[in-house]
Amino acid sequence: DIVMTQSPDSLAVSLGERATINCKSSQSVLYSSNNKNYLAWYQQKPGQPPKLLIYWASTRESGVPDRFSGSGSGTDFTLTISSLQAEDVAVYFCQQYYSTPPFTFGPGTKVDIK
Amino acid sequence: EVQLLESGGGLVQPGGSLRLSCAASGLTFSTYAMGWVRQAPGKGLEWVSAISGSGGNTYYADSVKGRFTISRDNSKNTVYLQMNSLRAEDTAVYFCAKSRWTTVTLFDYWGQGTLVTVSS
Repeated sequence: DIVMTQSPDSLAVSLGERATINCKSSQSVLYSSNNKNYLAWYQQKPGQPPKLLIYWASTRESGVPDRFSGSGSGTDFTLTISSLQAEDVAVYFCQQYYSTPPFTFGPGTKVDIK
Repeated sequence: EVQLLESGGGLVQPGGSLRLSCAASGLTFSTYAMGWVRQAPGKGLEWVSAISGSGGNTYYADSVKGRFTISRDNSKNTVYLQMNSLRAEDTAVYFCAKSRWTTVTLFDYWGQGTLVTVSS
C-alpha cells in the first residue's frame, strides 16, 4: 500500500497570512498515460465530515474559495491557503487514489490561528 | 443535492457483529461507487472499504479484510457494511462516502457518520 505522510503535524498562522501544508507519498501517484496526479485534499472541521477541496493535485472542487490551491507532482505535494481566514481552522488531509484501493490518507495537519 | 445518511452504529462487545447502512438520495445511485471511511476518536481518517457502482468489485483495507463485507442494493439506494469479529480497535466514527465516478476513486460527498463502539 502507498504510505502518505504530511508535515507539519500542526501550524498556527496569523489571519491573512499564508499557510502551507506538505504531503508526500511513498511512491509516485502520477499516471504517465494521462499525466494526472491521483492526489486529493480534504478539509475537516470539528464535528463535521471531511469536505473535498482539491483533486488531481491542483483542481479546486466547485465552490471552494480560490485562496486554496494545490501543487506538486509525483511524490511531493503542497496545499496552500494564500490568506488564512477564521473559517479555515480545520484539519487537512491528503489522499492518494492511484491505481487500486486501498486509497490511503495522510495523518492530517491541524491549522489554527496564531 | 446529494445526501448520505448512515445508521446502525452503537455499542457492541468484542467478537460481536454490526451492520451499518447508508441511504443515499439526490443522485443516480447505481452510477457511483460508494465507500466507508472511519475515524477513531481524536485520530485521522482510515479508508475501510469500497464497492463499484454495479457492486461487482469490492475492496478492503488489510485491517478489516476477512471480517467486514461491503454490499449495495441499487434498488434501495443503500450501501451496507457488515462488520463481524469486532475488536476494540474498530471503535470509530464510520463515514459513508460517494465516489466521484462509477469506479472506486476519491470521495466527493460524505455522510455525517455513525459511531461504533466496541467494548465489554
